Parts: sequence; structure tokens; C-alpha cells
Amino acid sequence: GESVGLHLPTLSVQEGDNSIINCAYSNSASDYFIWYKQESGKGPQFIIDIRSNMDKRQGQRVTVLLNKTVKHLSLQIAATQPGDSAVYFCAENYSGAGSYQLTFGKGTKLSVIP
Amino acid sequence: EPEVTQTPSHQVTQMGQEVILRCVPISNHLYFYWYRQILGQKVEFLVSFYNNEISEKSEIFDDQFSVERPDGSNFTLKIRSTKLEDSAMYFCASSGTGGTDSPLHFGNGTRLTVT
Repeated sequence: GESVGLHLPTLSVQEGDNSIINCAYSNSASDYFIWYKQESGKGPQFIIDIRSNMDKRQGQRVTVLLNKTVKHLSLQIAATQPGDSAVYFCAENYSGAGSYQLTFGKGTKLSVIP
Repeated sequence: EPEVTQTPSHQVTQMGQEVILRCVPISNHLYFYWYRQILGQKVEFLVSFYNNEISEKSEIFDDQFSVERPDGSNFTLKIRSTKLEDSAMYFCASSGTGGTDSPLHFGNGTRLTVT
């Protein structure tokens, strides 16, 4: 049958405000998580990662929070800028499987209002 | 900053034809990957490659697909006898190691259109 395209959740944020993008991951055994940003016509761009032995990790203007109890990951972007407009994907990996095969989430489209 | 480069950016082919998608991974990286993204859908793993052999492949990566590292810089994905449903963005990625201390870096993709 014909595949149905995903309807991406969309988050609209005023420039300068903080953004929070959420992700529910699927595998409770996953121990490594990455956030990617994908702009139109480009490949996924690495933003930040976190291992399962951590709850929080900060980068430049970005923070990732991990809640293993409820299998939830979030990406916080401080002082959101127009250049942050993109689709954001979380990805998970279970390193115990001996592979580096990322499983991507559905993605959230972030639109920054100038 | 080093980056993964892919050619061509757009490839149009007729159903049943063979296509080769090309990638130049980051030069000191050892692990190479192909992912694909059908329009409007998730990014999906196809195959990983290390030390001149496939490390892991998904169910999507059937006998129609093959990968090769023909020289010290290129990494290719060959699709034999393309089908309409092969139309997608194909992303090449590389990492320094196979572990989680070296995130995957993706190229900008090749848009494959099968008519």
C-alpha cells in the first residue's frame, strides 16, 4: 500500500524566547541519544548528545534533558533565533547491540517568528 | 570544518535501471553509513560499513543494494533494478569510531527520483 507521510508536530516560537522540543524514545535499552537539526535540502546536523548515565547536558545555547524513567528526551534552545528554524530529530542507539545504528524519531518543525 | 560530501545532489532514473550514489566521508573517519528518508517520513538506517565489510544492515537493505569502498576516499551505494519506492533522499554518514564517543556526521544527501 502507499505510505502515509508524517505530519510533523510544529512549534512556533517568538525570536528571543526559549524553545523546548520533546521526544519520546522507544527502546528502554537505548543508552545513547542525539539531537539533530535538519534544514530544508540538507542532511541532519549534529547538535548535542547525551549518554544514559547522565540526566542533563549543556552546549552552547542548547540543553538536553533525559528522563529514562518515562523514556523522554527534550531539547531546550535558549534565546531562539531565526536561524534555528528547522526540523529537529531525536535519535537513539543501543550500544550493547554492538552497532551504531541510530533510530530516528518523527521530528518536530520549529518555526521562529521574527 | 570537515564534512561529508555526496554526489550527485539529485539523480533521476527510470524504473529497472541501476544507480550509484557516491559519498566522500570525512577523511580520518573509519565507519561509514547509508540512511534514507522517504519524503515526509523518518530517517531510516540502511547499512553500516567498517574495515571493508558490512557491519550491520537493516531489512530495507536487501539484495538490490550493495556498498563499496573502491578506494581510500569514496564510499558508494549501488541500487540495482530501481523501483518506484526507492525514491527518497539518501544520506551518507561517517564517524571516527563505531562507538558513541564519535557522533555521526551526515552529508546533504542525494535525492533519488525513480520514474
